[in-house]
Amino acid sequence: EVHLLESGGGLVQPGESLRLSCAASGFTFSTYAMAWVRQVPGKGLEWVSDITGDTTQTSYADSVKGRFTVSRDNSKNTVYLQMNSLRPGDTAIYYCAKDMKPNGKLDLDYWGHGTLVTVSS
Amino acid sequence: DIQMTQSPSSLSASLGDRVTITCRASHDISNSLAWFQLQPGKAPKSLIYAASSLQSGVPSKFSGSGSGTDFTLTISSLQPEDFATYYCQQYNTKPITFGQGTRLEIK
Repeated sequence: EVHLLESGGGLVQPGESLRLSCAASGFTFSTYAMAWVRQVPGKGLEWVSDITGDTTQTSYADSVKGRFTVSRDNSKNTVYLQMNSLRPGDTAIYYCAKDMKPNGKLDLDYWGHGTLVTVSS
Repeated sequence: DIQMTQSPSSLSASLGDRVTITCRASHDISNSLAWFQLQPGKAPKSLIYAASSLQSGVPSKFSGSGSGTDFTLTISSLQPEDFATYYCQQYNTKPITFGQGTRLEIK
């Protein structure tokens, strides 16, 4: 059974950093791209970033480009999101999600429960 | 970016009802569309992929249709656990984008 468990969220001040982790199990982790998607409380879903299974390609939303870095450790079945220079607008629940097929199209089939990031002074 | 427009934004229905949610893409996305269910405190649940294919383990009361720019999600025989927020998502062109959500409430 596929499980995704995010951690690392919390309350930080504007300008600070945070690293989110997503531990995966139940599938061959290195085969599939992984994505980070966020939901501002009470609002819709926004794709943030993704990384291919072999780590060769990463992508970012314009709103986080230059501030966030996605990475993964396939030996630990874990994907990370390093978030720097955080802004109040980054306040959201951050979900990690798994690509359904090894083609990187981000047809997302499994999601974690999410971790809440709050950026406030 | 491809814009995804869902309607309605909210919907009230009774137990046992059948409801339909629509999603329109700003450009042709072929059948690269998924539907998700979100409930507070729970992991988002994938329901439909490739516009009309049911994810493993999802009951057949959920069905999807459409291609190109217009898509629908139909839920039949509503039960208490179906009252949630539903999102469509296109994965034809990056960046992937989501509809704004449809909140399904009990009447």
